[in-house]
Parts: sequence; structure tokens; C-alpha cells
Amino acid sequence: AQSVTQLGSHVSVSEGALVLLRCNYSSSVPPYLFWYVQYPNQGLQLLLKYTTGATLVKGINGFEAEFKKSETSFHLTKPSAHMSDAAEYFCAVSSPFNSGGSNYKLTFGKGTLLTVNP
Amino acid sequence: EAGVVQSPRYKIIEKKQPVAFWCNPISGHNTLYWYRQNLGQGPELLIRYENEEAVDDSQLPKDRFSAERLKGVDSTLKIQPAELGDSAVYLCASSLVAGTNTGELFFGEGSRLTVL
Repeated sequence: AQSVTQLGSHVSVSEGALVLLRCNYSSSVPPYLFWYVQYPNQGLQLLLKYTTGATLVKGINGFEAEFKKSETSFHLTKPSAHMSDAAEYFCAVSSPFNSGGSNYKLTFGKGTLLTVNP
Repeated sequence: EAGVVQSPRYKIIEKKQPVAFWCNPISGHNTLYWYRQNLGQGPELLIRYENEEAVDDSQLPKDRFSAERLKGVDSTLKIQPAELGDSAVYLCASSLVAGTNTGELFFGEGSRLTVL
């Protein structure tokens, strides 16, 4: 079974400060990892994803995340927060539906609400 | 390019009433997903379609929930009868490739259901 734990349901930062949203995963097979963002009353939008290769991945809007296998983590960071970053962020992991590995199921964490103070 | 379209955006019903949600995926996307998002939680998969075939419906409460994607394009999710615990946002998503290991899921804005 796979699972995602997002530490902190609510993170508050000042504008211009570092953003750090934590995500730890559990997976019995090499995972693929995703961060999605959800603005109020909107659907989820992909920020970035890790599948294979470079463990530091860059996404949209200046966000990046690093896959650390030894720590089973995929934390999301942004050097300088902007007011427009206020939203809910979801970490997700995928792993095979079946032993054949050709199909994958996406499991989401509970989300972290980011607020940015002026 | 049009995104994933869902309707209605909001629905308020009394318990025991039926309700249906409609989803039109992005043109050319063969894979369609229905997720349920409870308040303060992440989305949970209800059912996944590859074209018109439901390939994973293990989390769909089949006593009251049903879904169809007859022509492999748009899809309908139905609840009959609705219960108080069904209040949630129902999200539809689509993707170009099967599964989610390399393909990005594109989400609609969701249908928010309130059961009174």
C-alpha cells in the first residue's frame, strides 16, 4: 500500500520568506511523486513531478522539490513567497495498480494550506 | 484548448434525493477519473476509465454510486439516494496516457455537493 503524509495542515509565511512544505511518502516500489496546487474554488493544477533521473525537480512559479529516497521525502520549496502563492498544496504518490506495473494509482496527501502575510 | 469541464459547480439537495454530475474531459484524453474530496482532505479516487471501460472502481460505493462513460468521451457520476456523508467536492480529471506514472492529470473545477 502507498500513502502520503503532509506535515502541517497549515503553513503561514511572510511575503518574501522561504516556503517549505513537507511531504513524506510510503511506497513498496519506486515511487513517482507529484505536487499539485489548488486555488480557491478551482481544480488541482500540477506544479511539478518526479519520475526518474535528477532528484531536484523544478516546477512552475519558482517552486522546486527534491526527492530523497533515504528520507522518503519530497519537500516543496520556494525561495521567496509571493501573495499569489496562497493556496492549498497537495503531495501525491503513484505506484502500480497491479503487479504488471503498467497502470498507476495516484494517492494524495491531506493537503497543506499556505497563507502569505504582507 | 478547453480544459476539463464539469457541471453543475454547486448542488444542494436533501438526503435520499438523487444527484448526477457530468464531466467532459480534454479532447483526445482517453483516461478519465472521478475523485471525491472531503473537506480538509485530499482527493480520493472513486473510479478510473480507459476509454469506455471502468478499469478501477474498487473505491466506488456501488450500493448508491454509479458511473458511466458510454462513448468513451464524457462521463456521468450518479448518487442515488444521497446521504449526509456524501457532501463533498466531486472532481473529474483526465489524462493523455494510461495511468499516472508519466502522464499529468488535468482536473476540472469540481462539483460541490451539499446534502441537507
